[in-house]
Amino acid sequence: GQQLNQSPQSMFIQEGEDVSMNCTSSSIFNTWLWYKQDPGEGPVLLIALYKAGELTSNGRLTAQFGITRKDSFLNISASIPSDVGIYFCAGRWNNDMRFGAGTRLTVKP
Amino acid sequence: NAGVTQTPKFQVLKTGQSMTLQCAQDMNHNSMYWYRQDPGMGLRLIYYSASEGTTDKGEVPNGYNVSRLNKREFSLRLESAAPSQTSVYFCASSATGYEQYFGPGTRLTVT
Repeated sequence: GQQLNQSPQSMFIQEGEDVSMNCTSSSIFNTWLWYKQDPGEGPVLLIALYKAGELTSNGRLTAQFGITRKDSFLNISASIPSDVGIYFCAGRWNNDMRFGAGTRLTVKP
Repeated sequence: NAGVTQTPKFQVLKTGQSMTLQCAQDMNHNSMYWYRQDPGMGLRLIYYSASEGTTDKGEVPNGYNVSRLNKREFSLRLESAAPSQTSVYFCASSATGYEQYFGPGTRLTVT
């Protein structure tokens, strides 16, 4: 089946720093999505990408759908303490949605 | 606007017991999904329902059954719980099948 490799597994950064995380796959997807999960909550959609090469921003977040359709990255600029959480990528092909294992982000004030 | 709601929030079962997890959405979405989340892993799709009256298996359907009761409600049943089914279960819904909106989860422990 389609597997997603998400990296890094965890990040410890200082408030104000920029963050970058990515997902790669051996299979192509026609949609990439990025979610954030706070402790004890369900994932919340941050950004959805529908076309290869698409670059989309949502406030301080920017995500790109890789040209090969096998990867995507998420950047967070000027991190703040409330950015703490687990970030998941997800790739969709037809009715099949696969999730990465997550990047756990810790922001030190 | 409640979005996606799930009950119960927590549940402890003994091996072999059965239970049904309930999910409801008030966004008039056609598609609904059940996932499980285990430590260090992403969410894995158990079953989904692309529209009222249809259900399909996902990546890890063994040991589970589902019912799409109406457009709003999608339940997940464990007929004979096993310790391997200890997990956090999330329900999600979607209008398009692409952008999914998740409930708060049910934390299930099977002893």
